[in-house]
Amino acid sequence: GQSLEQPSEVTAVEGAIVQINCTYQTSGFYGLSWYQQHDGGAPTFLSYNALDGLEETGRFSSFLSRSDSYGYLLLQELQMKDSASYFCAVRDGSGNTGKLIFGQGTTLQVKP
Amino acid sequence: NAGVTQTPKFQVLKTGQSMTLQCAQDMNHNSMYWYRQDPGMGLRLIYYSASEGTTDKGEVPNGYNVSRLNKREFSLRLESAAPSQTSVYFCASSDRAAFFGQGTRLTVV
Repeated sequence: GQSLEQPSEVTAVEGAIVQINCTYQTSGFYGLSWYQQHDGGAPTFLSYNALDGLEETGRFSSFLSRSDSYGYLLLQELQMKDSASYFCAVRDGSGNTGKLIFGQGTTLQVKP
Repeated sequence: NAGVTQTPKFQVLKTGQSMTLQCAQDMNHNSMYWYRQDPGMGLRLIYYSASEGTTDKGEVPNGYNVSRLNKREFSLRLESAAPSQTSVYFCASSDRAAFFGQGTRLTVV
């Protein structure tokens, strides 16, 4: 079957750097993506990795190692508004049309 | 610039009632999805559609049916609602990234 593992909670202070890890197990693989969800809101797309390495988008970066079935989301210069849940997701199967499976989510609390 | 439009936003049903959640996307995506999210939980896939005319079961399909009416629209139907189906439902469409509707908060009493 398919599964994704990520920590349930992470706490950090404003201005710090935090890393949220994600390990996955799928029968196929077509990219690892990350989403942010604030309380009461819908998930919004943050980042996507199809190939090994680091992708940077402003304060957020995402890393993928396909050989280790592992990725992480790196949040720099943390702000209070970054307090939210963060989900990793993998597309299971071939091509761009397989199932999109999500991890359980990591709740990030940013403290002053 | 609508993206994914999902209706209704809120719904209360009595046990045994039926309803259809509507979803439409204007991004010309092939793939569309229905998820449910329970408090403190992740997103669990109910059904997905890889392209117009195809649908497949996800992790939690029991009690639900779907219709991919055309490339734009993907509806979710509860034929006989149960309290266990109280949840927040999200529709999404994707190519590389997934884009979500605003969610439907469904309560079954």
